[in-house]
Amino acid sequence: EVQLVESGGGLVQPGRSLRLSCTASGFTFGDYAMSWVRQAPGKGLEWVGFIRSKAYGGTTEYAASVKGRFTISRDDSKSIAYLQMNSLKTEDTAVYYCTRLVVPAYWFDPWGQGTLVTVSS
Amino acid sequence: QSALTQPASVSGSPGQSITISCTGTSSDVGSYNLVSWYQQHPGKAPKLMIYEVSKRPSGVSNRFSGSKSGNTASLTISGLQAEDEADYYCCSYAGSSTSYVVFGGGTKLTVL
Repeated sequence: EVQLVESGGGLVQPGRSLRLSCTASGFTFGDYAMSWVRQAPGKGLEWVGFIRSKAYGGTTEYAASVKGRFTISRDDSKSIAYLQMNSLKTEDTAVYYCTRLVVPAYWFDPWGQGTLVTVSS
Repeated sequence: QSALTQPASVSGSPGQSITISCTGTSSDVGSYNLVSWYQQHPGKAPKLMIYEVSKRPSGVSNRFSGSKSGNTASLTISGLQAEDEADYYCCSYAGSSTSYVVFGGGTKLTVL
């Protein structure tokens, strides 16, 4: 069974950092791009960014709202994707979902259960 | 404000059909056949229902179908069932020179 499990969420003060992890199983992790999508409380889905597979350079792309503050990385030997979030703002409060991104068609499947990040003083 | 426009809510009775629209621009929906749709029940993760405008993943009921005309994509659910009540989000590729991926604001489907 293909599965994604996020961890690392919690309460953090504005301006601080937090790192989320996404542990994958059930598929060849290194063959796929991985993405993060967030959902603020009571709001819709917002794409955060993605990292390509090593075969496509392992490069990253980000939404304008997080570019320069967030960094996505991957460890294919452990089947883990990371989201490093720096200079956090209150508006970054959301459930963060890890999801496998199928390129070049750009659809997301499956999704993890999500981890809540609350940015508050 | 979301990049793709969806109605905030739609409703229908069991057995009926409903359609949810997703309007973008010539830079996203209109330029690529790369629209996907996601179903999200309260407190749960989104689930892929349709990809590449009209393709259904294995395991998704054939009551769900997708289409596109110009800058507007649509999700149709036929033979409505109580378990279809959920939020639905459309998503489109938007090109490498812009934001890559854009989502709609979501539509709450109520089964009466």
